[in-house]
Amino acid sequence: DMKVTQMPRYLIKRMGENVLLECGQDMSHETMYWYRQDPGLGLQLIYISYDVDSNSEGDIPKGYRVSRKKREHFSLILDSAKTNQTSVYFCASSLSTALPAEVFFGKGTRLTVV
Amino acid sequence: AQKVTQTQTSISVMEKTTVTMDCVYETQDSSYFLFWYKQTASGEIVFLIRQDSYKKENATVGHYSLNFQKPKSSIGLIITATQIEDSAVYFCAMREEGFASALTFGSGTKVIVLP
Repeated sequence: DMKVTQMPRYLIKRMGENVLLECGQDMSHETMYWYRQDPGLGLQLIYISYDVDSNSEGDIPKGYRVSRKKREHFSLILDSAKTNQTSVYFCASSLSTALPAEVFFGKGTRLTVV
Repeated sequence: AQKVTQTQTSISVMEKTTVTMDCVYETQDSSYFLFWYKQTASGEIVFLIRQDSYKKENATVGHYSLNFQKPKSSIGLIITATQIEDSAVYFCAMREEGFASALTFGSGTKVIVLP
């Protein structure tokens, strides 16, 4: 069963705390992504990873960093979370950016920073 | 830089009728790919249909079809014979050709199918 799994699904953190969002995929996809979704703005790309230790900033990378040490696993880290990082975060994966392949999305993590 | 715009915030339609959603895009590339995704009430995002810029024929998958008007940089989604479960938010997205490219999304159109 092809899927992208995100953990946790819901998270509440205090301002200034560190946040770790985890994502896994079982399709051996090369490319993985982190997006955030805010009302009225659609999905905005935070980071893209082309493979292990090959990451690139997306459109809104400020305040975030990522880690990809295994092909199937991609983490999003918020160092010292801010209230404006309250959002729904989606992880996604695709076979390769060399192809216009379908992008598969996880179910999202709803992060609230108070 | 690529940009995708969906101006319709919400559309209500009667069940079993046809709904059309608009999307316009901006790109400097001559080759690109256009997608429509559906986000259900549970938040799940699923791929629906894709149009490659070099193809003149409009893509069709099941009761989803596209109205691709390249000179107008427009890619509309048409859903025929709508069902209650088609109620969702629909996102238009594009990707330019190139290794480093990722999907850029529009802001979404909420479709409400009424019984």
